[in-house]
Amino acid sequence: DQQVKQNSPSLSVQEGRISILNCDYTNSMFDYFLWYKKYPAEGPTFLISISSIKDKNEDGRFTVFLNKSAKHLSLHIVPSQPGDSAVYFCAASNRGGGSEKLVFGKGTKLTVNP
Amino acid sequence: GAGVSQSPSNKVTEKGKDVELRCDPISGHTALYWYRQSLGQGLEFLIYFQGNSAPDKSGLPSDRFSAERTGGSVSTLTIQRTQQEDSAVYLCASSKPRPEQFFGPGTRLTVL
Repeated sequence: DQQVKQNSPSLSVQEGRISILNCDYTNSMFDYFLWYKKYPAEGPTFLISISSIKDKNEDGRFTVFLNKSAKHLSLHIVPSQPGDSAVYFCAASNRGGGSEKLVFGKGTKLTVNP
Repeated sequence: GAGVSQSPSNKVTEKGKDVELRCDPISGHTALYWYRQSLGQGLEFLIYFQGNSAPDKSGLPSDRFSAERTGGSVSTLTIQRTQQEDSAVYLCASSKPRPEQFFGPGTRLTVL
């Protein structure tokens, strides 16, 4: 039973446009959410995170939105750049329950075309 | 600064053999995690060490898998009697007492 779902295996956007990556979760105990970016043959790189007490967190071109009632979060990248092409993983944890382990989605492969 | 390092980067073994995978966390990070990523899948939690506390082993898929962390630093993940379904990329991560985990490059394990 997948607790974190990324329903789009791939996404293709034009350089300069907005990329929107989506993530849904089923476990209402999750209280911290993270996005990681992964290039081939490398480990995942932390991108941005959000606590469940917030509904938005912004860092430069990256913004994460959290809708707790819908158990949905999204990552917006604007403007998208070719170097953003990678696999993006959504992850969640139940920190309030004393667990730091991350539960990951299967990832969305983003391609930004020049 | 030095990130998380893992060795070997690639390991090919025969079914039934034991393997050991090593992780050197970032200096000063108190928590260490092991995950694995099978083909086409997300990262799957295996085990988590935090300071001197008992490790959270809830993600280990079978008793063929074990891990230890010596001196609160280096960790070794051991897989005994490897099976073909153990083939995956094994990723180690470390963190301070914060939720953001920093990953190593992984060890690609292939069991023939």
